[in-house]
Amino acid sequence: EVQLVESGGGSVQPGWSLRLSCAASGFTFDDYAMHWVRQAPGKGPEWVSGITWNSGTIGYADSVKGRFTISRDNAKNSLFLQMNSLRLEDTALYYCAKDGQYGSSSYELSWFDSWGQGTLVTVSS
Amino acid sequence: SYVLTQPPSVSVAPGKTATITCGGDHIGSKRVHWYQQKPGQAPMLVIYYDSDRPSGIPERFSGSNSGNTATLTISRVEAGDEADYYCLAWDSDGDYVFGTGTKVTVL
Repeated sequence: EVQLVESGGGSVQPGWSLRLSCAASGFTFDDYAMHWVRQAPGKGPEWVSGITWNSGTIGYADSVKGRFTISRDNAKNSLFLQMNSLRLEDTALYYCAKDGQYGSSSYELSWFDSWGQGTLVTVSS
Repeated sequence: SYVLTQPPSVSVAPGKTATITCGGDHIGSKRVHWYQQKPGQAPMLVIYYDSDRPSGIPERFSGSNSGNTATLTISRVEAGDEADYYCLAWDSDGDYVFGTGTKVTVL
């Protein structure tokens, strides 16, 4: 059974940084691209970032480009999101999500077939 | 940026059919995926590649996609189908785009 467990969320002030982690189990981690998706309170989901199995290709939503950095450690079955220069509008539940395509060399043109339960990031002054 | 528009709400009686649309420019040329989200839970995939069902998803859930509209159909609706539903597609500008969301209420 696929399990994705996020951690690292918290309450911070604008301009601060946070590093989110996602521990994956129940599947061969380095066979899949991975993603971060966030959901602000009362809003729909928003894709944040994606990374291929070998970190060869990475993409970001325009709203976080230049501030957030996605990375992964296949030896530890872990996905990360370094969030810098946090803004009020970054407040959301952040989900780690597994890509739906086995063995794909791209994070694009796919879907998210498993999600964690999320870690809450609150940015307020 | 690419926009996917869904009706804010759909109401349906138990046993009837719920139809949820997802409108976007030439969406028929894209692959569309659908998620169900219940309160306090993460989204769950119910349809991928326009019309394929993940294992464990009932046959009551089906999808189609053509022209400017993708559609999720829930047949023989049950009380447990009450949830928010979101469509998802990849935009060639380099972004995944979620629809605006539809709240399904079972009467």
